Amino acid sequence: NAGVTQTPKFQVLKTGQSMTLQCAQDMNHNSMYWYRQDPGMGLRLIYYSASEGTTDKGEVPNGYNVSRLNKREFSLRLESAAPSQTSVYFCASSEARDRYGYTFGSGTRLTVV
Amino acid sequence: GNSVTQMEGPVTLSEEAFLTINCTYTATGYPSLFWYVQYPGEGLQLLLKATKADDKGSNKGFEATYRKETTSFHLEKGSVQVSDSAVYFCALSEYYGGSQGNLIFGKGTKLSVKP
Repeated sequence: NAGVTQTPKFQVLKTGQSMTLQCAQDMNHNSMYWYRQDPGMGLRLIYYSASEGTTDKGEVPNGYNVSRLNKREFSLRLESAAPSQTSVYFCASSEARDRYGYTFGSGTRLTVV
Repeated sequence: GNSVTQMEGPVTLSEEAFLTINCTYTATGYPSLFWYVQYPGEGLQLLLKATKADDKGSNKGFEATYRKETTSFHLEKGSVQVSDSAVYFCALSEYYGGSQGNLIFGKGTKLSVKP
């Protein structure tokens, strides 16, 4: 099925470890996004990529880096994980020229101990 | 800046009850408005949308009308089912320069429907 695929679905890290969350979409969308979801906070934008070759900071970028590898793939990296980064991470994509909202992946539940 | 405010939950209803989840927004331009739904353990799914004032979005028995005069986009359903239990997010996105802006979310409202 067409959509946004995120890997892994679950991950436990120790404080200070690094990891990369992967995201791929097969809808030929130009724009891709990374959000984190925390209880009582809704979804907050970490980074986004309006088009291939560009990335920009969102509301909460500290502690994260991103790479827009090609049009399909947008990865999120935690260089030195902290307990405050325990969250559910969602990747999304959209077509920049329409008004139809975003398509979301099913999420990665990350726990940092 | 742009923002979305929605009623805090949780909201608990009996099956077949009427549902309203309030959503108001602040925007500098002419946003599109959305309701997303998140079922337990899943990602967000687009439930309905409206792209201009007085538009009514509808899907699966849910409705919301874009009210520019009250800057609101309240979600309603006439008769809820147990399967509607989920978290509902109101969101907006401004559209300018030929491109859709970033989506801004409310904090979500958890709905529980009891049989």
